[in-house]
Amino acid sequence: DAMVIQNPRYQVTQFGKPVTLSCSQTLNHNVMYWYQQKSSQAPKLLFHYYDKDFNNEADTPDNFQSRRPNTSFCFLDIRSPGLGDAAMYLCATSRFRDISYEQYFGPGTRLTVT
Amino acid sequence: GNSVTQMEGPVTLSEEAFLTINCTYTATGYPSLFWYVQYPGEGLQLLLKATKADDKGSNKGFEATYRKETTSFHLEKGSVQVSDSAVYFCALSPHYSGGGADGLTFGKGTHLIIQP
Repeated sequence: DAMVIQNPRYQVTQFGKPVTLSCSQTLNHNVMYWYQQKSSQAPKLLFHYYDKDFNNEADTPDNFQSRRPNTSFCFLDIRSPGLGDAAMYLCATSRFRDISYEQYFGPGTRLTVT
Repeated sequence: GNSVTQMEGPVTLSEEAFLTINCTYTATGYPSLFWYVQYPGEGLQLLLKATKADDKGSNKGFEATYRKETTSFHLEKGSVQVSDSAVYFCALSPHYSGGGADGLTFGKGTHLIIQP
């Protein structure tokens, strides 16, 4: 089945220690998104890629970076995680010009910062 | 700007009760509307969607109708089950003339608890 895969599902990192979360997709979608979801809150868009074009949200901290080496993979790098960065990180994809604008979500990576 | 307002929970119902979760939106033009469901510790799953006025989305006994005149997309189910316990998010995506890409605008989520 075509899907969005996130690894790992659970990640523990230390305060200030860089961490990378990964996302892959078999849907061949040209748009990939990263959302941050804190406890009991709605997902908040951090940035997205349309093909190789990177689009950063204005309020996304500089501590968060992303890479998309090819269509299938996208990475979220947190350069110096703080306690406030503990959250669920959701990857999503969509197909540009899809009539419904539906986004397909992965299962998420729960990040704990100690 | 775009925004979604939905009733906040928790909403607690008995099994087989009728469910309504209200959702209203503000958007430029006529967006696509979605209901996503999130089970504990999981990502978001699309429950249903509607892309234009008067469309009815339906799935697994859930329904929602895109009402342009009231800018609403209320979620309903005739008889809920314990397994429906989850958090439900109403969301919208504007329609871009270029077929573009942008993030979804979500409501704050409604925690639904179904008791046996």
